[in-house]
Amino acid sequence: EVQLLESGGDLVHPGGSLRLSCVVSDSTVARYPMSWVRQAPGKGLEWVSSISGSGGVTNYTDSVKGRFTISRDNSRNTVYLQMTSLRVDDTAVYYCANLPSLVAPSFDYWGQGTLVLVSS
Amino acid sequence: EIVMTQSPVTLSVSPGERATLSCRASQSIGKNLAWYQQKPGQAPRRLIFGASSRATGISARFSGSGSGTEFTLTIDSLQPEDFAVYYCQQYNDWPPLTFGGGTTVDVK
Repeated sequence: EVQLLESGGDLVHPGGSLRLSCVVSDSTVARYPMSWVRQAPGKGLEWVSSISGSGGVTNYTDSVKGRFTISRDNSRNTVYLQMTSLRVDDTAVYYCANLPSLVAPSFDYWGQGTLVLVSS
Repeated sequence: EIVMTQSPVTLSVSPGERATLSCRASQSIGKNLAWYQQKPGQAPRRLIFGASSRATGISARFSGSGSGTEFTLTIDSLQPEDFAVYYCQQYNDWPPLTFGGGTTVDVK
């Protein structure tokens, strides 16, 4: 069974930074495009960012452009989300999810999520 | 940005009955739509992609239909484990990838 394991969530002050990691248990799945999706407390799902299998193509939702950076290290089966200038409204559970492709990007495998709490 | 609108917000159904959930796109998305199920405290799980194709391991009680702007998720003979929140997601025109607001299916 393919597993995705996120880590790095924490309590951080507004304006602070945090780096999330997502390790994929299956080396084949780990080469596919990956995404981060977040869910604010009691709210729905929001796509945050995606990265191609090679890491050469990245996309972001407008609200995080210039503040968040997605990257990957395929030798470690790991995807990262570097978050800077964090705001209170970035508070959410952050899920990493695998995409079968960037042509038809629905979210296949999901991790269990890591909580980012931005508060003073 | 393509806006996805789900209805109803809450659907109350008795076990064993059928549930019909709707999802509307603000512009045509062909069949580029997925459905997800999320239970409390859990990650979402993909049920349907391509509007009507069941994901691996998903019960045949779940079926998807529609194209263009109108889509439906049907759950036949609701089981206790089916009571959850359901989201649709379009991937026809992105970024951004967009989700509907969700429909909660609860026990009547």
